[in-house]
Amino acid sequence: GENVEQHPSTLSVQEGDSAVIKCTYSDSASNYFPWYKQELGKRPQLIIDIRSNVGEKKDQRIAVTLNKTAKHFSLHITETQPEDSAVYFCAATQSGGYQKVTFGTGTKLQVIP
Amino acid sequence: NAGVTQTPKFQVLKTGQSMTLQCAQDMNHNSMYWYRQDPGMGLRLIYYSASEGTTDKGEVPNGYNVSRLNKREFSLRLESAAPSQTSVYFCASSEGGASVTEAFFGQGTRLTVV
Repeated sequence: GENVEQHPSTLSVQEGDSAVIKCTYSDSASNYFPWYKQELGKRPQLIIDIRSNVGEKKDQRIAVTLNKTAKHFSLHITETQPEDSAVYFCAATQSGGYQKVTFGTGTKLQVIP
Repeated sequence: NAGVTQTPKFQVLKTGQSMTLQCAQDMNHNSMYWYRQDPGMGLRLIYYSASEGTTDKGEVPNGYNVSRLNKREFSLRLESAAPSQTSVYFCASSEGGASVTEAFFGQGTRLTVV
């Protein structure tokens, strides 16, 4: 089955700096890669996603890149703010009768004011 | 539009007790899921339902059962709770089928088994 590895597990950055979180996946059948943000005590919520036919996607301060050949994708947050502090999960998804979603183990991001 | 609603938010059980976690979605999604979240282990799939009338095991199904009551509702039952089932449980739904889209999560249930 699919295996998703996520690094680092924790990340501390100064406010205004950039943060990068990396994920690798194993199954070339995965074709949709969402990123979720989970604030303390809250539910995971989608912040950005990318499909396998796209190499990069941006949404304001957040961007995601995908390298299908190497089977890795990354989340980039620029000009970090304290409210970016949260746990971030990557996921690899395969279409089918149901969406087979495999999550990474999460990255706890701390933005230091 | 409430999205995905799960109840209860918190629960304490004694070892051996049973309980059912309820989940309902109002987005007309085909697929529904139950995950558990433990520190450092991300979200692990317990059971899923690809469509109304079908259910199947995920990564960690032992000790759990599920029922897809109708298209809206998907419940998770612990027949005889064990301390190892102490966790945060999330229900989620997605469109399913040929559409690959985001999963929407419920607010979570924090379960403690003593």
